[in-house]
Amino acid sequence: EVQLLESGGGLVPPGGSLRLSCAASGFTLSNYAMTWVRQAPGKGLDWVSTITVSSGSTYYADSVRGRFTISRDNSKNTLYLQLNSLRAEDTAIYYCSKGMSAPGIFDYWGRGTLVTVSS
Amino acid sequence: EIVLTQSPATLSLSPGERATLSCRASQSVSSYLAWYQQKPGQAPRLLIYDASNRATGIPPRFSGSGSGTDFTLTISSLEPEDFAAYYCQQRSNWPPLTFGGGTKVEIK
Repeated sequence: EVQLLESGGGLVPPGGSLRLSCAASGFTLSNYAMTWVRQAPGKGLDWVSTITVSSGSTYYADSVRGRFTISRDNSKNTLYLQLNSLRAEDTAIYYCSKGMSAPGIFDYWGRGTLVTVSS
Repeated sequence: EIVLTQSPATLSLSPGERATLSCRASQSVSSYLAWYQQKPGQAPRLLIYDASNRATGIPPRFSGSGSGTDFTLTISSLEPEDFAAYYCQQRSNWPPLTFGGGTKVEIK
């Protein structure tokens, strides 16, 4: 059974940093593109970042490029998102999602981890 | 960036009724459009991909249609568990991957 479990969220002041983790089970992380999607309180879904199968290619939303870094540790079957220079508008639930064989379709999602940026 | 516009924002229907949700793209996305369902406090769930393909385990009352810029998600007969928010998402031209603003299907 495919499972994704996010962790690492919390309360952080503006300008602070966090590292989110997404532990995958039931499949081999390195064989699929993986994506982070966020959802601000009461709002819709917002794509954040994708890492491709090879890990050679990473993609970011303009709003986070230069501040967030996506990576994966294949030996731990875990996806990461490093969040730096956090802003109030980054406050959201962050979901990790597994891609299907075709890129850009998300067939499994974790339950999410809440990041709150506030002083 | 491709903008997806969903309508209506809210759809008030009764169980057993047919639901028709719309998603319009600012430029053609061919058939590279997906639909997700999200219930309060839960993660999104993939319903339909590439406009008309049901994801694994999705009941046949859910169907998708359309191509180019106009797409429709139809729920043929609403079950109590179908009252939720629905989002469309395109993968035709990315980055960025983009989602629509959502349609909430509520009980009338």
